[in-house]
Amino acid sequence: KAGVTQTPRYLIKTRGQQVTLSCSPISGHRSVSWYQQTPGQGLQFLFEYFSETQRNKGNFPGRFSGRQFSNSRSEMNVSTLELGDSALYLCASSLVPRVYDTQYFGPGTRLTVL
Amino acid sequence: QKEVEQNSGPLSVPEGAIASLNCTYSDRGSQSFFWYRQYSGKSPELIMFIYSNGDKEDGRFTAQLNKASQYVSLLIRDSQPSDSATYLCAVNYRAGAQKLVFGQGTRLTINP
Repeated sequence: KAGVTQTPRYLIKTRGQQVTLSCSPISGHRSVSWYQQTPGQGLQFLFEYFSETQRNKGNFPGRFSGRQFSNSRSEMNVSTLELGDSALYLCASSLVPRVYDTQYFGPGTRLTVL
Repeated sequence: QKEVEQNSGPLSVPEGAIASLNCTYSDRGSQSFFWYRQYSGKSPELIMFIYSNGDKEDGRFTAQLNKASQYVSLLIRDSQPSDSATYLCAVNYRAGAQKLVFGQGTRLTINP
């Protein structure tokens, strides 16, 4: 079974631009969560989607948004990019959003903002 | 603020020895606990999960959970150089959610 896939793997943008990242979960997985990883803050939860609905959101500004499609694929968008948005963005999928379900991570998208 | 604390290390262990990684968490309502391994430049890879008090063994890995002390640990027996990585402790606080709170990670180095 294929793992979580994320595209693109690398992105370079300039301040003020916007970016869209894509995530395809493991086949059969319906819950998708997004995380941001930086050297200073570590791994931080961005948001979680299930059945095309955002169920939880982390402590990030409104410039960060996302959505989930009927096939469980998810996208996240960051508008008006800032230098501090440079990070590894990780998508994780699980079967359903139960607290005991395991999340499996994709390879991540490395975003660099210049 | 839910918090997960780990010793950032680096932790240096000789090959063949037992590596012990520790994690504490702040919320007594925490329900599930995960250990992920992350190699430099790669994404986190699940090592173990544990939900109930006590020990859980999987090959060379043993996870230990003590909810009364709000403590979870990971033991790696017969450590190998390939075990050198950052180990992340993650806690899921919330029923019906997939919202992991991660510690900062412990960098482990196994010396041949």
